[in-house]
Amino acid sequence: KAGVTQTPRYLIKTRGQQVTLSCSPISGHRSVSWYQQTPGQGLQFLFEYFSETQRNKGNFPGRFSGRQFSNSRSEMNVSTLELGDSALYLCASSLQGDEQFFGPGTRLTVL
Amino acid sequence: AQKVTQAQTEISVVEKEDVTLDCVYETRDTTYYLFWYKQPPSGELVFLIRRNSFDEQNEISGRYSWNFQKSTSSFNFTITASQVVDSAVYFCALSEEYNFNKFYFGSGTKLNVKP
Repeated sequence: KAGVTQTPRYLIKTRGQQVTLSCSPISGHRSVSWYQQTPGQGLQFLFEYFSETQRNKGNFPGRFSGRQFSNSRSEMNVSTLELGDSALYLCASSLQGDEQFFGPGTRLTVL
Repeated sequence: AQKVTQAQTEISVVEKEDVTLDCVYETRDTTYYLFWYKQPPSGELVFLIRRNSFDEQNEISGRYSWNFQKSTSSFNFTITASQVVDSAVYFCALSEEYNFNKFYFGSGTKLNVKP
């Protein structure tokens, strides 16, 4: 069974731009969660989607948004990028009530 | 408030030594879940174990063992006879009954196992 895949793996953007990251969950998994990992703040929960609905949201500004498609694939978008948005963005998928499986992440650098 | 504390930032051991990674958590919920994940240099978080709050039985899996003590709000992880391949960052995480997939992670412990 294929694992969680994230594209792209690396991304370089400049301040003020916007970016879209993609996550394909493990086949059959309907829950997709996103996390931001930075050296200063560690791993922080962004949001969770289940059956195309946002089920949970972390404490991030509105510049961070996401969506989930009918095939459970998910995208997250960050608008008006700031230097502090440079991070590893991890996506995780799970079956209902089961442990989360993480993808390799997208490393975003904002210049 | 929910919080996970991993006080050990970095630990270095020599191969074959035993090592314990500490995890202390805070939650007001009576039903909650605790996890350990391993993050190798590649970046992907690898699931190791899940424990629910009603199951205080310790678990052993090969060289890995976990000690869950509700009385001290701790969920410690021991690697016996460490190997170089165990070198990674280890994260402890907490989630709650009605927000199962919303993880609160500790800051991680970087384990260096030297040959």
